Amino acid sequence: AQTVTQSQPEMSVQEAETVTLSCTYDTSESDYYLFWYKQPPSRQMILVIRQEAYKQQNATENRFSVNFQKAAKSFSLKISDSQLGDAAMYFCAYRALIQGAQKLVFGQGTRLTINP
Amino acid sequence: DAGVTQSPTHLIKTRGQHVTLRCSPISGHKSVSWYQQVLGQGPQFIFQYYEKEERGRGNFPDRFSARQFPNYSSELNVNALLLGDSALYLCASSLESVGNYEQYFGPGTRLTVT
Repeated sequence: AQTVTQSQPEMSVQEAETVTLSCTYDTSESDYYLFWYKQPPSRQMILVIRQEAYKQQNATENRFSVNFQKAAKSFSLKISDSQLGDAAMYFCAYRALIQGAQKLVFGQGTRLTINP
Repeated sequence: DAGVTQSPTHLIKTRGQHVTLRCSPISGHKSVSWYQQVLGQGPQFIFQYYEKEERGRGNFPDRFSARQFPNYSSELNVNALLLGDSALYLCASSLESVGNYEQYFGPGTRLTVT
C-alpha cells in the first residue's frame, strides 16, 4: 500500500529566510504524481506545487520549489524568502490509482510557523 | 469562476443520527472526491465519483455512502453517527483529463457528533 510520511510535525522559520519541509513515500508504481498542499487556519486546502514522477526536472512555483529524489522516494518542499502568509499546515500527497480511483494519499502534515 | 463549494459549514449532530453533506464542483469538473480529516491528521480518502459512477472507496464502513447528480454535484451521507465521525469533511473536484489531475478542495464541513 502507498504511504506518505512527513517526519516533522512542526517547523519554524524567521521571516525572509528559507525552510525545507521533508516528505518520503512508498510505492511500487513507476508513474505517479506528488503534490504539496497548504492548509491555512481558515482550513481551505490549497495546491502549492505538483511533480510528475516521469519528469527529472524539479518543479518550481515562484518561491516554492521541490527536491524530488525518485530513487530515494523523497519529495521535499523548499520555501524561499518566507512570508507571514506562508504560516499553515503543509501536506505532502501522493496520487495513487487504486481500483480505478484517483485518490490522494496524504502525510500527517507539518505545521509551519513564521517568526517575524 | 467559483471554486468548490460545500454546505453546511458547520453541523452538530447526536450519536445515532443521520447527516447529509453537499458539494458543488468547479464548473466543468466531472469528478468529485470526499475526504475525512480528523483533527491533527491528514485527510483520508472516502469516495471518488466520476460521471455519476463510483470509482473507488476508501476504508470506511457501509454507514458512509455518496452519490453524484447529473449536474456533477455530490452528497455524502453518514448513517448511525458515532463520536468518532467528528471531523472536517472535505470535497475535492478534478477535471480528470490527460495531464490535468489536480484536485481542488472546498472549505469543508465541520461535523461535530455529541
